[in-house]
Amino acid sequence: GAVVSQHPSWVICKSGTSVKIECRSLDFQATTMFWYRQFPKQSLMLMATSNEGSKATYEQGVEKDKFLINHASLTLSTLTVTSAHPEDSSFYICSGEQTYEQYFGPGTRLTVT
Amino acid sequence: DAKTTQPPSMDCAEGRAANLPCNHSTISGNEYVYWYRQIHSQGPQYIIHGLKNNETNEMASLIITEDRKSSTLILPHATLRDTAVYYCIVRVVGEYGNKLVFGAGTILRVKS
Repeated sequence: GAVVSQHPSWVICKSGTSVKIECRSLDFQATTMFWYRQFPKQSLMLMATSNEGSKATYEQGVEKDKFLINHASLTLSTLTVTSAHPEDSSFYICSGEQTYEQYFGPGTRLTVT
Repeated sequence: DAKTTQPPSMDCAEGRAANLPCNHSTISGNEYVYWYRQIHSQGPQYIIHGLKNNETNEMASLIITEDRKSSTLILPHATLRDTAVYYCIVRVVGEYGNKLVFGAGTILRVKS
């Protein structure tokens, strides 16, 4: 199946700093990528839909100025958590869509201290 | 909100079939049912999907009722490595992509 990678796999940052997470589709081109967030013992929550070359579409309640998404190519989307705070600590997962199926990355564990 | 309901947890003996039910009574005619699973601290893994007909692949079988209001995922010979959270999802076709809205899922514990 199609492979999606994320980098870094985990990151620790200080409160007030920004963190960038990369999502790459390794063996397919993903016109659409999705970003999810998952808190401990909870399900995945869709944050935004990212289409190559256009602005991301954010789900209700997700601050677009805080979670900056860039999808500059068919194989790369980035999520930048700006001015991170401890409550942003979570597991961030991306997925790429190919022929109506979503393939997920391994996730990035963000811890804000 | 997720359009599916699943039991919170199930146990299954190793080597036996695991049957995971899912209700999706408000599903629309053109909406697909997808199944993913998530092993702890990993990204979800695609298992299978279907519209009306039953489907089978190397991982599992998907049985969809005739009225499409419910479905069952069958893992024919469960192993310890199948222990995971299983998500039944109705794919929502949106303007900007096909959204997967995850519900709480079913924790499947395969025991030896």
